Amino acid sequence: NAGVTQTPKFQVLKTGQSMTLQCAQDMNHEYMSWYRQDPGMGLRLIHYSVGAGITDQGEVPNGYNVSRSTTEDFPLRLLSAAPSQTSVYFCASRGGVQGRPYFGPGTRLTVT
Amino acid sequence: QQPVQSPQAVILREGEDAVINCSSSKALYSVHWYRQKHGEAPVFLMILLKGGEQKGHEKISASFNEKKQQSSLYLTASQLSYSGTYFCGTGGTSGTYKYIFGTGTRLKVLA
Repeated sequence: NAGVTQTPKFQVLKTGQSMTLQCAQDMNHEYMSWYRQDPGMGLRLIHYSVGAGITDQGEVPNGYNVSRSTTEDFPLRLLSAAPSQTSVYFCASRGGVQGRPYFGPGTRLTVT
Repeated sequence: QQPVQSPQAVILREGEDAVINCSSSKALYSVHWYRQKHGEAPVFLMILLKGGEQKGHEKISASFNEKKQQSSLYLTASQLSYSGTYFCGTGGTSGTYKYIFGTGTRLKVLA
């Protein structure tokens, strides 16, 4: 099992560009989430999903879109990148409402 | 609203003990504890379930007070490898499927 995979590992964008961060899991988990972690800070929830076709906003959703067309994949789209979105992005999946998150390795994004 | 952890930071000598607390404003059904090293993803340490069941690590223990909506992580005889940032996390609050993390506690163990 690969667990949770994320691509790319590193990305540099210019202000105004758009891109998609990829996340996939092979554990058949219902729940998937995206977090951002700014330097020296905690993990803040951007969006989450409780199954294919079902997504909802987290604490910091502005500037990001998600969709969940399959159980395995949960991509995060940055619509128009801003320097304030410079961060490390973690995707996580879990098997149930009380399950613990399994993390991907993270994507380090810099917006100039 | 994210759970609040205390202390925010702590420095220990090898062999000393530490306690990290996690308090929630909402009812908790389960709590997980993670440790994160700089530049890496968080690593799972411990799960605490309603009713007191605890599963986790050999030298690290935890408690879960459902009435006070608190959990505490106990690190005994700390080692250099314990250094990192500790987060509590919960997805079991009533009425939501969100999984959120606490504010974090930075722990540094010195030789």
